[in-house]
Amino acid sequence: QSVLTQPPSASGTPGQRVTISCSGSSSNIGSNAVNWYQQLPGTAPKLLIYSNNQRPSGVPDRFSGSRSGTSASLAISGLQSEDEADYYCAAWDDSLSGRVFGGGTKVTVL
Amino acid sequence: EVQLVESGGGLVKPGGSLRLSCAASGFTFSSYNMNWVRQAPGKGLEWVSSISSSTSYIYYADSVKGRFTVSRDNAKNSLYLQMNSLRAEDTAVYYCARDNIWDYWGQGTLVTVSS
Repeated sequence: QSVLTQPPSASGTPGQRVTISCSGSSSNIGSNAVNWYQQLPGTAPKLLIYSNNQRPSGVPDRFSGSRSGTSASLAISGLQSEDEADYYCAAWDDSLSGRVFGGGTKVTVL
Repeated sequence: EVQLVESGGGLVKPGGSLRLSCAASGFTFSSYNMNWVRQAPGKGLEWVSSISSSTSYIYYADSVKGRFTVSRDNAKNSLYLQMNSLRAEDTAVYYCARDNIWDYWGQGTLVTVSS
């Protein structure tokens, strides 16, 4: 049981917009920045979004993040086949004094 | 180019020990906090431990506290994870990741705990 809650799956056709939610609490998302990671099949995770809505250099602007209260979300606009991957949200948790992850969302491009 | 290369994984019996290493290059290792994250086969990511740049701050997940010890050698640009009293549920790919945002990850090293 993950501390942060994500839907297990999401899907869309090429060109569509897909949104992934990440629900937490006041001790994690409510008071700390959220990061998002993309894990392509058989590879190490890659930083996609940091500090709620910042993109590292090289990440396409099709990916965007937001945070409101104790929830965060990742949006993928103009969905492409290479976006098929697992996506994880993460944040520091003040109560646990540690990092917590969501369970991951598998995105399928139909 | 930033590179993180893990090593030291393998097959170990329950109750055994293993020491993982993460060799860093391409950046000033001593300036960055470092982390260990693991992923059990077919499962999601799980944070294991974090250590600050000067080792002033060290944190562990409850699942490994008292059994795992994180350390670093800034002179050797290396991060370590000493794992004792290993259990079947510690079986996973172990990744090292840089900084508080985990902006770079290694390729991982597989630890299998089985009799």
